[in-house]
Amino acid sequence: EIVLTQSPGTLSLSPGERATLSCRASQSVSSTYLAWYQQKPGQAPRLLIYDASRRATGIPDRFSGSGSGTDFALTISRLETEDFAVYYCQHHGSSSLTFGGGTKVEIK
Amino acid sequence: QVQLVESGGGVVQPGRSLRLSCAASGFAFSNYGMHWVRQAPGKGLEWVALISYTGSNKYYADSVKGRFTVSRDNSKNTLYLQMNSLRAEDTAVYYCARDWTLTGADYWGQGTLVTVSS
Repeated sequence: EIVLTQSPGTLSLSPGERATLSCRASQSVSSTYLAWYQQKPGQAPRLLIYDASRRATGIPDRFSGSGSGTDFALTISRLETEDFAVYYCQHHGSSSLTFGGGTKVEIK
Repeated sequence: QVQLVESGGGVVQPGRSLRLSCAASGFAFSNYGMHWVRQAPGKGLEWVALISYTGSNKYYADSVKGRFTVSRDNSKNTLYLQMNSLRAEDTAVYYCARDWTLTGADYWGQGTLVTVSS
């Protein structure tokens, strides 16, 4: 069973700054099956990135994903106020989804 | 546009049952696998179940196996989650989500809250 570990747990940044979120898998996974979601309070998660680096429909280009093997990252190049939220990485197995514990990006 | 609307949540006593529904619209429901994902208050996301587009294949998290049953009615564009022997730790917002094969869940409902409490 793959375990996804996200770090840091909380990231305190100011609008305009760059955010880098990490997701580490307990074993090597295919980039094809790695996705990132954004969740704001009281809302459902929203798919941001799929195939580790492809932006989902309507996602601004300040969001980018990278990585391979066991180490993946989500980068927000310049934080906007609407980007302060919790972010989850996810691996899609053959018959299940596995989520990381999440990283909260909060306003400093 | 794609819409997923959950219903059926509420307060239930431990040991009792509850059935959640997820009404789908705006896409060919019978062509997609569907997930249930839950989120306990203040916690992260936990995958619960996956059902294939035909309904013939069903998969469950270990935490709910033997207690929860996922099903679908493609003629009604509706997904279900039958939850039996409910426990306090099943308290969560339950989301239905459309499966994007081997990629993730590309559309989510707004969720329905299940509270298991005496």
